[in-house]
Amino acid sequence: QVQLVQSGAEVKKPGASVKVSCKASGYTFTSYDINWVRQATGQGLEWMGWMNPNSGNTGYAQKFQGRVTMTRNTSISTAYMELSSLRSEDTAVYYCARGPGSRNYAFDIWGQGTMVTVSS
Amino acid sequence: IQLTQSPSSLSASVGDRVTITCRASQGISSYLAWYQQKPGKAPKLLIYAASTLQSGVPSRFSGSGSGTDFTLTISSLQPEDFATYYCQQLNNFPPYTFGQGTKLEIK
Repeated sequence: QVQLVQSGAEVKKPGASVKVSCKASGYTFTSYDINWVRQATGQGLEWMGWMNPNSGNTGYAQKFQGRVTMTRNTSISTAYMELSSLRSEDTAVYYCARGPGSRNYAFDIWGQGTMVTVSS
Repeated sequence: IQLTQSPSSLSASVGDRVTITCRASQGISSYLAWYQQKPGKAPKLLIYAASTLQSGVPSRFSGSGSGTDFTLTISSLQPEDFATYYCQQLNNFPPYTFGQGTKLEIK
């Protein structure tokens, strides 16, 4: 079935970087954009940016520009999100999500989420 | 573009009809989606293009609106519907903005 499977939880110190992976299966990886969305505990959803897996083109929310990098490895249908210069406010669950697609213009498939904890 | 959902929280009973609204700070045509999120789980797409039900979503969910004002209606609440609901605009990008969420609780 169509799914996105993310890497496991991470604990990082302030100032470090984290790289989260998102492996796609059940569809053609290069046919849909991958977005990254994060959610701090008890808070709402925050869109971080997108990547076109076919071209590698990216676009980032202004808040994260300069700190986030989104990449992919098409040979293994995997997208990556790296966030640098971590601070405590980056503690959150990070989701990858597919879309928007031409059939349903929304984020129709989501990964299970990766908890990133930033603590000294 | 900012999205403002109302109410922020809502208490209702099984069988009730519930409406959640989402207002955009500028027109977004029909480029609006609704998601349901349960604790500890990823969001689930319910409705896209303001009013189109995602495959597999029960017909008690419906969406309407265009431009700046949108609504999500649940016609008869079921126990599994108690969750947090988010709207999202996909017209003006980046960013793909989300509303702040509406928590639907059991009365």
